[in-house]
Amino acid sequence: DTGVSQNPRHKITKRGQNVTFRCDPISEHNRLYWYRQTLGQGPEFLTYFQNEAQLEKSRLLSDRFSAERPKGSFSTLEIQRTEQGDSAMYLCASSPQPGKSGELFFGEGSRLTVL
Amino acid sequence: GIQVEQSPPDLILQEGANSTLRCNFSDSVNNLQWFHQNPWGQLINLFYIPSGTKQNGRLSATTVATERYSLLYISSSQTTDSGVYFCAVGRNQGGKLIFGQGTELSVKP
Repeated sequence: DTGVSQNPRHKITKRGQNVTFRCDPISEHNRLYWYRQTLGQGPEFLTYFQNEAQLEKSRLLSDRFSAERPKGSFSTLEIQRTEQGDSAMYLCASSPQPGKSGELFFGEGSRLTVL
Repeated sequence: GIQVEQSPPDLILQEGANSTLRCNFSDSVNNLQWFHQNPWGQLINLFYIPSGTKQNGRLSATTVATERYSLLYISSSQTTDSGVYFCAVGRNQGGKLIFGQGTELSVKP
């Protein structure tokens, strides 16, 4: 069990560029979550998947954000036309199937800096 | 939505001291977790505790769901306990969690 893996760990981009983050969950977990964390704040929920189905999206997730989990394994989070306000740590987490523990396991995060 | 309040916001301890962190929430929940975020930003799950009491070494947690609060106890604190402790709650066992603002703990040698 290698844990939740995220890459890239750091991304610096210019305003207006597109960026994509990847998350590989713990292999037997069928739920996958994306959160965003800014300095001094707790993580904020963005979206989550059960297998390949996107079950909930936060209103924080504007039209410029899209998340996919095409085969129910890894997930990608794309931000189009980045803005300086998108600078944050993007956290991915996974949890076991419903009926078992709802415990969340987080990756190390992908830090985005938009110049 | 559910509101989560953590107290105190900051805590400074001498190594070896004990502490209690509190999490209040505004509505019924079926999911409550405590996390430790280390200085490198990694969030580590400490407890999944929607109700009852659990212990893991020097850490223990109690959730009184009917009174909408949870407590995290740290005994004999060590410098490695430093970091931010988050409480997070959700209406369902799975699904989204709402995080509090955290308690920043600093343990001095």
